[in-house]
Amino acid sequence: AQSVTQLDSHVSVSEGTPVLLRCNYSSSYSPSLFWYVQHPNKGLQLLLKYTSAATLVKGINGFEAEFKKSETSFHLTKPSAHMSDAAEYFCVVSLGNTGKLIFGQGTTLQVKP
Amino acid sequence: EAQVTQNPRYLITVTGKKLTVTCSQNMNHEYMSWYRQDPGLGLRQIYYSMNVEVTDKGDVPEGYKVSRKEKRNFPLILESPSPNQTSLYFCASSLGGGISDTQYFGPGTRLTVL
Repeated sequence: AQSVTQLDSHVSVSEGTPVLLRCNYSSSYSPSLFWYVQHPNKGLQLLLKYTSAATLVKGINGFEAEFKKSETSFHLTKPSAHMSDAAEYFCVVSLGNTGKLIFGQGTTLQVKP
Repeated sequence: EAQVTQNPRYLITVTGKKLTVTCSQNMNHEYMSWYRQDPGLGLRQIYYSMNVEVTDKGDVPEGYKVSRKEKRNFPLILESPSPNQTSLYFCASSLGGGISDTQYFGPGTRLTVL
């Protein structure tokens, strides 16, 4: 069965330091993978997506993620955190051709001044 | 501006009183979907629609109805709301239901059922 596991429910970093949000997936075929961000009281915004092209995917606001098939991982990184990055982040896998998305449980990113 | 809109954004109601949450998109997308978000569970799909007059159940459809009479609109209907339907609801749309299609989300509707 397909699933997504976000390994940390909460991550705290200082402003200007690197961000790493970890995501592992389980899929019986080559999936599409997404990272979405949700700021407080806002909807979900797409950060980036992987669709079997380049394994290193660049997104908005300086975020990027690397698809590693051997490790079944799709970790999200950013070299230098900004206060505005404080939000909840969801790793998402897309299944088949029904538009079905499987969401991870979410990781709350706290950025300290 | 390309967007998905939902109304109302906030709603407090009582058990058993029928309600409808509207969803509309202006991107001419074929695919639309409803999710609910609960703490620690991420988002779970309630219903989806691949095109006009085509709807199907997601993972948590019990207690909900939907209709897709027009391409742009996909209302969510709670015929007899119960407290366990208190949640944050999101509507989403995408060009199609393909594996690589990006879903665009509305701003959310926070529903409280007393």
